[in-house]
Order: sequence, then structure tokens, then C-alpha cells
Amino acid sequence: DIQMTQSPSSLSASVGDRVTITCRASQSISSFLNWYQKKPGTAPKLLIYAASSLESGVPSSFSGSGSGTDFTLTISSLQPGDFATYYCQQSYTAPFTFGPGTKVDIK
Amino acid sequence: EVHLVESGGGLVQPGRSLRLSCAASGFAFDDYAMHWVRQAPGKGLEWVSGISWRSGTILYADSVKGRFTISRDNAKNSLYLQMNGLRVDDTALYYCAKVRYSGSWGYGMDGWGQGTTVTVSS
Repeated sequence: DIQMTQSPSSLSASVGDRVTITCRASQSISSFLNWYQKKPGTAPKLLIYAASSLESGVPSSFSGSGSGTDFTLTISSLQPGDFATYYCQQSYTAPFTFGPGTKVDIK
Repeated sequence: EVHLVESGGGLVQPGRSLRLSCAASGFAFDDYAMHWVRQAPGKGLEWVSGISWRSGTILYADSVKGRFTISRDNAKNSLYLQMNGLRVDDTALYYCAKVRYSGSWGYGMDGWGQGTTVTVSS
């Protein structure tokens, strides 16, 4: 099975900050990497699919990059609604594993 | 607009069974593969199972293989998860989710329900 890791596991940031979260796969997954935002009490929301494609309706402040084993989610200017937990997920092969998550909270 | 509504969760004793349902609307259900994903209390997201549009491909996480069975009824726009031999560590909020592109597993899940809670406890 492909293992997904994320770093950091949590971070504190201020509104307006640039935030970068990294995700690493235990083997190459090409560009089959997706990013989700999860807030308490709400369903996960797809932000980025295929490593760098922005999901419809998602602010352009979110961007993704990477291929192979190393990927990055960047929030260029953190907004109040962006405080959440972010998960990467590989969709290269089953089981379609998620990373452990990165919690972004207010500094 | 994609609308997914899970039901069937509840409190059950270890070793017992439960069947979850997911009612879909707002899209051509029979064109899309579907997933079940769960989140245990205080934990992260865990992919559980997936089924292709015509049930030709069925996939499971190792943690549920042999105990859970995914199925779908395209005529009823419904997805199911039969859970047998439930264990305490199956306690979670269970979501059904739609793949982003018909005919492909590879591009994430763009539609999610609000989840149904399964609690396994004696």
C-alpha cells in the first residue's frame, strides 16, 4: 500500500500569511494527488485535484504543485475561512490513502 | 447540484451488523464511481471502499476487507455499505463521496454527504 505523510502536522498562522503544506507518497503516484479541506462538523471539500488543478469555486489563493512523490499545497494569503485541517489523498491506486492531515489554526 | 444523504448509522454491539445507505441526486449517479470514507473521533480521514459505475470494480481497505461489502443500485440512485463483524475501532462518521470524473478513480472526490455516525460499543 502507498503511505502518505504530511508536514507539518499543525501550524499557526495569521490572516494574510502565506502557508505551505507538503505531502509525500511512499512511491511515485504521478500526479494523482488531491487536496481536501476539512472543518469540524462539515464534509470534506475538494480543493485541488490531479496535483495542481483548482476545483471549481475554490479561491485562486489555493494552489498545488508536485509530481512523483513530493507535493505542495500553498495558500498565498490566509483568510479567516481557511483555518481548517488539510488532507492530501492519493488516487493512483487502491487503497486510496489519505495523509494524516495538517491543522492550520490562528496564531 | 450534487446531493448525497447517508443514513443507517447507529449504536451497535461489537460483532453485530449494520447497513449504511447513501441516496444520491443532482447528477447522473450511474455514470460515476462512488466511495465510502470514514473519520473516527479525533482522527483523520480513512478511505474505506469504492465501487465503479456498474459495480465491475470493487475495492476495499485492508481494515475492512472480508467484513464490509459495498454495493449500489443504479435504478434507485443508491449506494450501500453492509458492515458485518463490527469492531470498536469501526466507530466513525461514515461519508459517501462521488468521484470527480465519470470513468476514472484518479481525480478526487468532489461531492460528499454529511455523514452518518456508527458507534460500536458494548
